Amino acid sequence: KQEVTQIPAALSVPEGENLVLNCSFTDSAIYNLQWFRQDPGKGLTSLLLIQSSQREQTSGRLNASLDKSSGRSTLYIAASQPGDSATYLCAVYDSGYALNFGKGTSLLVTP
Amino acid sequence: DTAVSQTPKYLVTQMGNDKSIKCEQNLGHDTMYWYKQDSKKFLKIMFSYNNKELIINETVPNRFSPKSPDKAHLNLHINSLELGDSAVYFCASSQAHGETQYFGPGTRLLVL
Repeated sequence: KQEVTQIPAALSVPEGENLVLNCSFTDSAIYNLQWFRQDPGKGLTSLLLIQSSQREQTSGRLNASLDKSSGRSTLYIAASQPGDSATYLCAVYDSGYALNFGKGTSLLVTP
Repeated sequence: DTAVSQTPKYLVTQMGNDKSIKCEQNLGHDTMYWYKQDSKKFLKIMFSYNNKELIINETVPNRFSPKSPDKAHLNLHINSLELGDSAVYFCASSQAHGETQYFGPGTRLLVL
């Protein structure tokens, strides 16, 4: 059964810093991987989807990488802003047609 | 123009009651899902439907019954509610399995 782990569980950085969030998964036979953000009391917003054949995907200040062989993905956030404060969730699409979620990294960007 | 909507947003009810949560998507997607987010914020798949047919039914008590009247709607009916059912329930949709999933705002269920 696929298990998804996110490290760190929580992170606090000053505004302007570049940061990396980590995600690891136990079964490398994935279909794709999706990163989300969740604001308190709100739903999930899709940030990036990386197909299993891709190595990375970029959207604005966000860059996500995927290394299937090692079972890892990273989300890089450049020049962080207070508005980036949220919980970031990594989810792996496996062959069972479901997203398997990690427990998230809670990010706080201080002014 | 909400892409995935859920009603109600909040639901407070007594143990033993039966309740329903409705979900609608206006994205023209073929696949819809129900997820449960527990008190520790962990999200887990409950059901997945493709073109109104059940594809995934995870280890969910049979008190939970999804119903898809058409491709744009996936409702969740819960019988004999228990305290442990208190959680946030999210509906999501995607064009197909493996495609980007879009989530609704969630329904916060509290069973007293």
